[in-house]
Amino acid sequence: QDRLVESGGGLVKPGGSLKLSCATSGFTFSDYYMSWIRQAPGKGLEWVSHITSDGSMAFYADSVKGRITISRDNAKKSLYLQMNSLRVDDTAVYYCARVHGQWLGFWGQGTLVTVSS
Amino acid sequence: EILMTQSPATLSVSPGERATLSCRASQSVSSNLAWYQQIPGQAPRLLIYGASTRASGIPARFSASGSGTEFTLTISSLQSEDFASYYCQQYNKWPYTFGQGTKLDTK
Repeated sequence: QDRLVESGGGLVKPGGSLKLSCATSGFTFSDYYMSWIRQAPGKGLEWVSHITSDGSMAFYADSVKGRITISRDNAKKSLYLQMNSLRVDDTAVYYCARVHGQWLGFWGQGTLVTVSS
Repeated sequence: EILMTQSPATLSVSPGERATLSCRASQSVSSNLAWYQQIPGQAPRLLIYGASTRASGIPARFSASGSGTEFTLTISSLQSEDFASYYCQQYNKWPYTFGQGTKLDTK
């Protein structure tokens, strides 16, 4: 069946970097736009970024623009999120999700990123 | 950025009763609206897209309506597994934005 498995989260100091990965299986990865969404502890959802199926275009929320880069490797069926200059308010569970139309049709279980000194 | 406002923040309902959740957009999003359910400790899952179309596998007790700026999600007869948080999300214009959520509590 379809699977999205995030990894790479952890504890990082403010100003540090982290790269998240999302390994996929069970579907044709290269057919879909993909997204990252985050949820700060006890808070709501924020759509962080999404990328077209061929990786040619990416979109970012203003809150992360210039600090975060989304990418994908269709051969490896994987999605990535490179996060630099991390701030305390980037602390969140980061979910990868498959885009259906323009909504989020299928979600992974998430990986926790904690930014703290 | 389009602001999505959900009401109420918390709704206390008894099992078997009907629940009605509201979502308002700060400008028209046409029918480009989705609803998600999040059970504590789990990832969100898609319930509704296109403002009123149930996603695959979603029970018929979930229905939704609206267009433009006013939207409603109705759960006709609450089951125990429906007590969760619900988020609306517009995808009419980037950045796509979520409401702050409505938490459905057991009365």
